[in-house]
Amino acid sequence: GQQLNQSPQSMFIQEGEDVSMNCTSSSIFNTWLWYKQDPGEGPVLLIALYKAGELTSNGRLTAQFGTTRKDSFLNISASIPSDVGIYFCAGQLAGTYKYIFGTGTRLKVLA
Amino acid sequence: GAVVSQHPSWVICKSGTSVKIECRSLDFQATTMFWYRQFPKQSLMLMATSNEGSKATYEQGVEKDKFLINHASLTLSTLTVTSAHPEDSSFYICSARDKEPTEQFFGPGTRLTVL
Repeated sequence: GQQLNQSPQSMFIQEGEDVSMNCTSSSIFNTWLWYKQDPGEGPVLLIALYKAGELTSNGRLTAQFGTTRKDSFLNISASIPSDVGIYFCAGQLAGTYKYIFGTGTRLKVLA
Repeated sequence: GAVVSQHPSWVICKSGTSVKIECRSLDFQATTMFWYRQFPKQSLMLMATSNEGSKATYEQGVEKDKFLINHASLTLSTLTVTSAHPEDSSFYICSARDKEPTEQFFGPGTRLTVL
């Protein structure tokens, strides 16, 4: 099945550091969603983006919808231990209700 | 926020048996529900899209006769894994979409282990 390119695949950071991850594709998307998944649980929605160029924040999280509609990034500022988990982007293909998921970024925070 | 539940949360079954997984939207009517499969350390792969009252649309490579989907109401969709085999062992996750906005809200997932 289709997947979005998401990078980095994994990262180890020190508590307090900022984190940045992104998703890219050759396809155009109408909506970008960012999720966090803890082990053994379903994904939890963090941020939703609806317009090209849109920049949205949710606490320490900031995400942007790329102007070309083919990419998106997520930043986490001042990371804390509970930020540990897997982060997925999901893009809604233009003209459909289907979402394609990124390959995931596994984040580990060192206290 | 919108809440989606799944039942059971985990199931262990013998090879050859069938398993039914329920997905419910608790506080909204879901015009569309989606079923995903997630293998360990991998991303979510869309299996099928389910609209209330109509046949599900399956993704390429997903056997519709093996993974039966019924979306009988605006709050309930079921996935039945028929004649399950060990390679069907996975984490099955559903999501539901309201009319607006277009976000998908995910259930907690069902871990299926086929012995």
